[in-house]
Amino acid sequence: AQSVTQLGSHVSVSEGALVLLRCNYSSSVPPYLFWYVQYPNQGLQLLLKYTSAATLVKGINGFEAEFKKSETSFHLTKPSAHMSDAAEYFCAVRVQGAQKLVFGQGTRLTINP
Amino acid sequence: EPEVTQTPSHQVTQMGQEVILRCVPISNHLYFYWYRQILGQKVEFLVSFYNNEISEKSEIFDDQFSVERPDGSNFTLKIRSTKLEDSAMYFCASSSGTGETQYFGPGTRLLVL
Repeated sequence: AQSVTQLGSHVSVSEGALVLLRCNYSSSVPPYLFWYVQYPNQGLQLLLKYTSAATLVKGINGFEAEFKKSETSFHLTKPSAHMSDAAEYFCAVRVQGAQKLVFGQGTRLTINP
Repeated sequence: EPEVTQTPSHQVTQMGQEVILRCVPISNHLYFYWYRQILGQKVEFLVSFYNNEISEKSEIFDDQFSVERPDGSNFTLKIRSTKLEDSAMYFCASSSGTGETQYFGPGTRLLVL
């Protein structure tokens, strides 16, 4: 069975600082990996996805994530945080042939002025 | 840009009552999903639906739950006899194919009293 662990339920960074949100997955078969963002009172919006092509994936709003098979990780980064990045971020995994997404518990990102 | 919509945004009901949550998926999508998020917990997969049939469901999706596509645009989740533990945010999602990106709606917050 697949699972996702997001380290840190709450991350706080200063505006302009590096954002690093951690995600580790467990899967017995090659996974597809996703990061979704949820702004207050809105649905889940896809930030980026890894589908076995390039291991470094670029997404919207300046975010990127790197798939590291040896570390079973898919951490999300952004070089310089902006106030508008404050939201909840979810890492998710899906395996080929399955339809369901398996989500991590989410990380709430706070940006300090 | 096409988006998934859900109604109502909030619903309060008494334990034992039936509720129907409605979703309008993106118009050319063929796969439909329901997920839920109990407050403070992970987003959990409930069910996927394709070609007027359930294609995958979780152990959460027991006999009190049902899904339907009553017409060409709506996708509904019915809970026959609500329990206190059904209180959660319910998300609808849709995708154009089984391996394609799932696009989420803004959710319906259900409160069972």
